[in-house]
Amino acid sequence: VIWMTQSPSLLSASTGDRVTISCRMSQGISSYLAWYQQKPGKAPELLIYAASTLQSGVPSRFSGSGSGTDFTLTISCLQSEDFATYYCQQYYSFPRTFGQGTKVEIK
Amino acid sequence: QITLKESGPTLVKPTQTLTLTCTFSGFSLSTSGVGVGWIRQPPGKALEWLALIYWNDDKRYSPSLKSRLTITKDTSKNQVVLTMTNMDPVDTATYYCAHSGVDGVPGRYWGQGTLVTVSS
Repeated sequence: VIWMTQSPSLLSASTGDRVTISCRMSQGISSYLAWYQQKPGKAPELLIYAASTLQSGVPSRFSGSGSGTDFTLTISCLQSEDFATYYCQQYYSFPRTFGQGTKVEIK
Repeated sequence: QITLKESGPTLVKPTQTLTLTCTFSGFSLSTSGVGVGWIRQPPGKALEWLALIYWNDDKRYSPSLKSRLTITKDTSKNQVVLTMTNMDPVDTATYYCAHSGVDGVPGRYWGQGTLVTVSS
């Protein structure tokens, strides 16, 4: 099982801020990492796959980087609609583990 | 346009077996590389991956729940069924199904989720 450490668990930020979320793996996963955004009462939505490929329709202020064991999701200029919870997920091996989530709240 | 929708009971009693159905459209589970997975989320908690079935009937399970889970598919009906035995209150969660694409990306499309409560 690949264990994932996602940090921080809570991030307080203001509109316009640049925010960064980290996901660290217990072993290398190449670039088989996805990032999701989830809003209350809704299913997660795919933001980024293959560590850095933006899903169609996702604003360009979202970006992903990393490979191997260390990955980062960056929101370059936080908008009001970006306040949500974010999850990483590895799809290098089974089980397809998720990070513990990062809630981005209004400061 | 790919859509998925979960259905099943909203309330089950402890020790009972849960059966959930994922009905999908816009893709075929007979297409090489395609899969459908199940994920759950207890209220206020993180996502937990449960199981996945591929077009070729290859099945994968969460090791911690493997003894309680069974995933099957009915390609002709465009459905995937997940059964979980011996339900417990800690299994109370929203259960989602999700499409897994030929590129391996596991969650490009999700169902809306269905909340299952385990209580006597």
